[in-house]
Amino acid sequence: EADIYQTPRYLVIGTGKKITLECSQTMGHDKMYWYQQDPGMELHLIHYSYGVNSTEKGDLSSESTVSRIRTEHFPLTLESARPSHTSQYLCASSEPGQRAFFGQGTRLTVV
Amino acid sequence: GESVGLHLPTLSVQEGDNSIINCAYSNSASDYFIWYKQESGKGPQFIIDIRSNMDKRQGQRVTVLLNKTVKHLSLQIAATQPGDSAVYFCAENIHRGGSYIPTFGRGTSLIVHP
Repeated sequence: EADIYQTPRYLVIGTGKKITLECSQTMGHDKMYWYQQDPGMELHLIHYSYGVNSTEKGDLSSESTVSRIRTEHFPLTLESARPSHTSQYLCASSEPGQRAFFGQGTRLTVV
Repeated sequence: GESVGLHLPTLSVQEGDNSIINCAYSNSASDYFIWYKQESGKGPQFIIDIRSNMDKRQGQRVTVLLNKTVKHLSLQIAATQPGDSAVYFCAENIHRGGSYIPTFGRGTSLIVHP
């Protein structure tokens, strides 16, 4: 069982609101990732981090931002949510060159 | 049953059959590949992995085959059970910015009929 946690599991929010999706892992992994996934579709990398104070943009352009102030914590923020942001957001972590461990995901709906 | 993950997103099999899920990867320099299983409402879970210095690796009821010549990966599930119903993703670690990042293919939905 992976020690990586995402909160909230489900979130319904109005357009224009600021939201932060939380992701924490207790495995001491340096590398962390955020993926976006629409139902029945592939996972698209939107952000990743090599370690504290490191953040990089992924393959899929995203209006979200991330921060990595502590090894175990990799939150994702949307300053102004829009219906186009409705999706599932998956957080993962790994050791370098090893398999990724995933959280349960946050299903976001923007109305 | 057999599927090509990128071109046939759904594979339906009968309980007890063997299932084969295929995946074409993109980068000939990739040296690590992982199969994940994702059940509805959950995050992907690790099934089995293989490094590029191997052609085959076996786990419990699962086998992964790697053909580097044609950049092809397959997952074989023996005696498929209803609990195997899920979406299966292959992932390759692609080198970027001095490190390796897991990059996922489209996925195949496996449906097991009792």
